Parts: sequence; structure tokens; C-alpha cells
Amino acid sequence: EAGVTQFPSHSVIEKGQTVTLRCDPISGHDNLYWYRRVMGKEIKFLLHFVKESKQDESGMPNNRFLAERTGGTYSTLKVQPAELEDSGVYFCASSQAPGQAYSGANVLTFGAGSRLTVL
Amino acid sequence: AQRVTQPEKLLSVFKGAPVELKCNYSYSGSPELFWYVQYSRQRLQLLLRHISRESIKGFTADLNKGETSFHLKKPFAQEEDSAMYYCALSGRRTGANNLFFGTGTRLTVIP
Repeated sequence: EAGVTQFPSHSVIEKGQTVTLRCDPISGHDNLYWYRRVMGKEIKFLLHFVKESKQDESGMPNNRFLAERTGGTYSTLKVQPAELEDSGVYFCASSQAPGQAYSGANVLTFGAGSRLTVL
Repeated sequence: AQRVTQPEKLLSVFKGAPVELKCNYSYSGSPELFWYVQYSRQRLQLLLRHISRESIKGFTADLNKGETSFHLKKPFAQEEDSAMYYCALSGRRTGANNLFFGTGTRLTVIP
């Protein structure tokens, strides 16, 4: 089966511009997650979708970030307007059932990440 | 608040030598602990989780609640173990699906 696919792999934009990252989860996975790793820091949770609904968006840094998952399939993460501190690698992950904790064998499968560079 | 600390950003060991990647955590409650690994040009993937009590690729990790640690160990390092290793935590307080990661340790195994 195809894994989690992310596009683009790398995006370079100028401060103030808009970027949209896309994630295609594994087919049949209801749960989709966005994480971000800023240079030199830890990987941080951004939000979690269950199908098309936002289950938890507590990690979204501010209102410049907008995530959608229309139809419960692929998801997009838009940054508008981008700032320098938004640079980093954005990871998407999916799971068939609710995430790792207390759920037995269900684990998150990660995509390769989208590297965002804001100049 | 929950926190995962990996004190070493870089760790180099010789092939065949034992390796230990340190992870300490802070969490009020009973967390679930994981080790993730990212090999060069590959995706982040789960290496092992404490509830499984298994050995993967020769690696083991024991949850020590008294010391709030979850160190990753391997008795004899191999060149293919060179990678970025992340310790992660989740629990009811964090949200069942919310993983908290450490900053990672880059392991280099010298031939």
C-alpha cells in the first residue's frame, strides 16, 4: 500500500507570501495528524483530524495557520502570511484508529515531511 | 507540564561498542513512551514502545518511573544504526493522540 504522501517536499517562499502544504494519508486511515519541527527544536504536534473533523487543534501556533480536510481524505495546511519563524519541516501522519496511546497496536505512519523555508 | 528531554544532540560510538541514548521525561500520570528513528533519506518511523517490552534491531528501552527515564540501549552498535533518534511521550493528559517529542539525538556509528 502507498504510504503517507506529502507535497511539496521543499518550498521556498518570501515572508508575507502564502504556502499550502498537502498530505495524502494512507487510504482508509481516518486519523490524520500534522506535526512541525523547527530547526534545532523538538517535533511539535499541531493538530489532529478524525475524518473531516478537527479533533484537537491545540498545537496550532496562531491564526496564520489553517488546516482543512474536506471530505475526510487528503488534508491541506495553509500558512498565510508566512513569517520567518514558520520555517521548518512539517510532518503529516495517519493512523487507522485513534493514535498510539492506550490503543494497542495502532501507531502513526509518518510522511517524508515538507520542508518550508521562509526568506 | 509534560516534557521530554534528550540531553545529547550528537552521540558518536565505534562499531561494536555499546550505545545508550538518554531520554528523561516529565509527566503527571502514567505516560506511554516511544522511540522513533529517522534514517538518512527515510521517514520518521516507530522503533519501539515501552508497553511492548520488545527488542527491535537489537535495541531495548526500559521505562524507569522512579528516575522518569526511558533510555534506549544496544549492546553492540552497527553502522546501520546511524540515524536521528527521537524519544516521545503521550498520555491521557496530553490528549490520546498528541505525541510530545524530544529534540532528538543524532547517533553516528564509526566503522
